[in-house]
Amino acid sequence: EPEVTQTPSHQVTQMGQEVILRCVPISNHLYFYWYRQILGQKVEFLVSFYNNEISEKSEIFDDQFSVERPDGSNFTLKIRSTKLEDSAMYFCASRMKGTEAFFGQGTRLTVV
Amino acid sequence: AQSVTQPDIHITVSEGASLELRCNYSYGATPYLFWYVQSPGQGLQLLLKYFSGDTLVQGIKGFEAEFKRSQSSFNLRKPSVHWSDAAEYFCAVGAGTGGGNKLTFGTGTQLKVEL
Repeated sequence: EPEVTQTPSHQVTQMGQEVILRCVPISNHLYFYWYRQILGQKVEFLVSFYNNEISEKSEIFDDQFSVERPDGSNFTLKIRSTKLEDSAMYFCASRMKGTEAFFGQGTRLTVV
Repeated sequence: AQSVTQPDIHITVSEGASLELRCNYSYGATPYLFWYVQSPGQGLQLLLKYFSGDTLVQGIKGFEAEFKRSQSSFNLRKPSVHWSDAAEYFCAVGAGTGGGNKLTFGTGTQLKVEL
């Protein structure tokens, strides 16, 4: 069964460093998303991406965040200068038009 | 703006007992509703979804949910809980499946199953 794959599963980074979280969406999907879940809290929408551009972003997704689909298969989330409060589980999701979103297993980001 | 309320933060049931997890949503048009389950350290697995049609939807692992427009609810049920159902359950609402539509999640209900 096709699945969304995220790497790494866990990343530890120092405050102020740049991180890139990687996702390989399901191959024929068209819509891509990043969500995050701070420990013990609910899952929050960050950004949606379609047709090679951002279609919607939340207030969390400020200038420190960016997304890219560099090669037609990967979908990345970059955080330019990490803060302690960026520590969270980050989920990538993808879907076809008219279907539900499929989520990856997540990347746990720890900023120290 | 869409929102989801899951009023029960924790629920404990005995194995074999029935289960109902509550979900209320707020959305101005016809919602698209989902229940996801998350085991510790794991991702989000879709249990079931409501897009249109029959308001009682069946999902995986013996779960079902009923959409009640008049009550703005989408409660999840299972007639007999298994110990392996212990997990966190999230209700989510989407504004549709076209376009760049996002999901809005509730705060989750942590289910504990007593043997």
